[in-house]
Order: sequence, then C-alpha cells, then structure tokens
Amino acid sequence: NAGVTQTPKFRILKIGQSMTLQCTQDMNHNYMYWYRQDPGMGLKLIYYSVGAGITDKGEVPNGYNVSRSTTEDFPLRLELAAPSQTSVYFCASLTGGEQFFGPGTRLTVL
Amino acid sequence: LAKTTQPISMDSYEGQEVNITCSHNNIATNDYITWYQQFPSQGPRFIIQGYKTKVTNEVASLFIPADRKSSTLSLPRVSLSDTAVYYCLVGAYGGATNKLIFGTGTLLAVQP
Repeated sequence: NAGVTQTPKFRILKIGQSMTLQCTQDMNHNYMYWYRQDPGMGLKLIYYSVGAGITDKGEVPNGYNVSRSTTEDFPLRLELAAPSQTSVYFCASLTGGEQFFGPGTRLTVL
Repeated sequence: LAKTTQPISMDSYEGQEVNITCSHNNIATNDYITWYQQFPSQGPRFIIQGYKTKVTNEVASLFIPADRKSSTLSLPRVSLSDTAVYYCLVGAYGGATNKLIFGTGTLLAVQP
C-alpha cells in the first residue's frame, strides 16, 4: 500500500491564481481530512469528509473548497490564492481512530 | 469539541523518562485521547490512543485518570531521535462528530 499520497510536493502561486491539491489514499478509509500548518504552528483543520459525497467545514474553511466523488480521492481547491494561504498542507485518512498523514504540499503564494 | 492544553516546550536528556501532560476539561463521553508525533517537514505520526486508565504499546504509555480531564504521555528512556513536536488530540470517531482538531503541541528537545 502506498498509504496517503499528495501532489504536488511544492508549488509557487501568484496572487489570484487557482490550483488543486491532490490527495489519494489506497486504504479504503471513509474518513479524510485536510489540514494546513503555518511555520512554527500547529495543524488547523480546513475540511473533512466522512465518505464519498459528504464533506464538512473545519476550523479554517474560507478560501478553500473540497469534493469527494470517490473513496480514494479528496482534492482541495484554492480559487483565488492569497499570501495568507502560504502554508504546508497535509491530507490524512482515518481508520480505527488512527489518522494516516500524507507527506504534505508546501505552497507559497507571492 | 474538547479543547486541549499542553506545555509549549520541554527539555530532557537521553535515557530519561519524559511525561507530557495534556488537559482536556471539556472531554465528552464518546471522546478518545490520541497522541501524535511530528518531525520537521513531515506529517504527524500516530503514537498511542486510549479511553481510560492506562494503555501501553512498544513506544509509549498513556495514563488517563478516572475523570478523564487530563492525560499523560510517557516516553521511556528517550533518545535524540525523540526530539519532535507531540500533539494531544481529543475526539470521537465514527459518530456525528468527526472534526479532529489539533492543539498547539509540545516541542520536546532531547539533549545528549
């Protein structure tokens, strides 16, 4: 199993650009999460999903959108990138109370 | 949602036992307590989870008093490679509440 994979690893965006951060898991987990982590800070929950077709907001959803059309994929969409969205983004899936995290995407908005 | 409070940082030396305490006064009946470890530039990694009393695995122990308003992660005989940020997470799984919110974490620095 590859576990949780995220693409891209790094990305630089200009203000106002859009992009999608990809997250895929091959463990057939129903629950998936998106977090952001600013330098020196803890993780903030952006969105989460309890299964295909079901998503809900976390602590900091503004400026982001998600979809969950399959169990495996949980993409995160940034529509109008802002410097405040410069962060490392982690995707995770959950089973049996244990979250499995991807390697992260480091995003810089200039 | 239960809010957690942890010390911002702790220092230790190799070979010592380290205890990190997390306060969660508003823990709900269905909530579990989970601890994660995070190294720089990596995602968090699961360490241990418990509901009450004591849980032990190959890397750590978790002590939870009867009122469940706090928990203590115990790392026996730490080494330099245990230098990391440790997060306490409180939440219920599989039910109506699935928001899993991390606290600020504790930076453990292990010195030789």
